[in-house]
Amino acid sequence: SQTIHQWPATLVQPVGSPLSLECTVEGTSNPNLYWYRQAAGRGLQLLFYSVGIGQISSEVPQNLSASRPQDRQFILSSKKLLLSDSGFYLCAWMKGLGNTIYFGEGSWLTVV
Amino acid sequence: AQSVTQPDIHITVSEGASLELRCNYSYGATPYLFWYVQSPGQGLQLLLKYFSGDTLVQGIKGFEAEFKRSQSSFNLRKPSVHWSDAAEYFCAVAASGGSYIPTFGRGTSLIVHP
Repeated sequence: SQTIHQWPATLVQPVGSPLSLECTVEGTSNPNLYWYRQAAGRGLQLLFYSVGIGQISSEVPQNLSASRPQDRQFILSSKKLLLSDSGFYLCAWMKGLGNTIYFGEGSWLTVV
Repeated sequence: AQSVTQPDIHITVSEGASLELRCNYSYGATPYLFWYVQSPGQGLQLLLKYFSGDTLVQGIKGFEAEFKRSQSSFNLRKPSVHWSDAAEYFCAVAASGGSYIPTFGRGTSLIVHP
């Protein structure tokens, strides 16, 4: 069966520091991968998605970036965090298009 | 562009009472529709989905949802709520115009009183 893991689960970072959140999917190949951010009371905002290695689409311009160095690995990064980057970040995957999207456990980021 | 509206931010019900969470979508054709549940600090878990066929869909944990094309709605229901159902519920829509990437509603927080 397929599983998705992301880490770290919780992160407290000072303003201006870098960020790296990692996500891996097991049990499938060539998944579509997604990063969402969830702010309190604001639902889920799609940040990035990827349909293949090295292919990244950005939905929201900001100081975050994403990379997909391997087929089942998706990384969310920032060079300098802002207070507004605080939130709950969710990695997700989908096999092909028009299927169900499955989520990881989420990563809490607090920028102080 | 596709959009999803969950008009209720919070819903409070008593344990054992019935539940209906509302979801309306905006899209020209019939989209794919989903309901997810999120416990505090957790990821989202799929409750049920509608792609085509029977418009009444059964899901996990005793939930069901009905797709009504004329009302552009996909409301979630449960006949008898349990205290463990207290969580955040998200409706989502995916369609070809959006590359089948799900767009989520803002969520409805369910509070269950004993």
